[in-house]
Amino acid sequence: QVHLVQSGAEVKKPGASVKVSCMASGYTFTNYGISWVRQAPGQGLEWMGWISTYNSNTKYAQKLQGRVTMTTDTSTSTAYMELRSLRSDDTAVYYCVRDYSWNGVDCFDPWGQGTLVTVSS
Amino acid sequence: QLVLTQSPSASASLGASVKLTCTLSSGHSRYAIAWHQQQPEKGPRYLMKLNSDGSHTKGDGIPDRFSGSSSGAERYLTISSLQSEDEADYYCQTWGTGIRVFGGGTKLTVL
Repeated sequence: QVHLVQSGAEVKKPGASVKVSCMASGYTFTNYGISWVRQAPGQGLEWMGWISTYNSNTKYAQKLQGRVTMTTDTSTSTAYMELRSLRSDDTAVYYCVRDYSWNGVDCFDPWGQGTLVTVSS
Repeated sequence: QLVLTQSPSASASLGASVKLTCTLSSGHSRYAIAWHQQQPEKGPRYLMKLNSDGSHTKGDGIPDRFSGSSSGAERYLTISSLQSEDEADYYCQTWGTGIRVFGGGTKLTVL
């Protein structure tokens, strides 16, 4: 079975950084990319960016450019998302999702269980 | 600009059917989308990928009560024989060049 397991909840102060991990199992890690999606309390889903697990190419949402970095460790089949200069409106649940889109073949499944990041002074 | 538009809310009675709509922005009518379900206090779950011709591929374990269809720029999710556990938020999502886009979500209430 394909699973994405994320790291635990974090509480950070404004201005700090957070790094969330996402460990994949049940498939060949480098055959699929990983997208990161966040959801602020009571709000909808917001795509943050995508990383190729094959060559580490990244695409970031414009509003997060300069504050977010996505990386992978293929030796442990783990993806990471680091967000810097945290603000209170970064308080959200952060999800990783297996993501593939090429030549009419698309996949956005499964989702990790989510990681709550709370930014508070 | 690639945009997905969903109605904020919908409701239907227990045992009835409901059809949710996701509309692709102008110039993007041939894009495939995915539907995701988010039950209260849970993470999202992939339901299906839906192509412009109406063909769809469901995720593992998704009941036959869930089906998809397409017409022009509209993508539909139909849920038949509604059950209480179908009360959830439903999001459509698509793949653009170097970007992924979500609709605003539809909150489905089962009466």
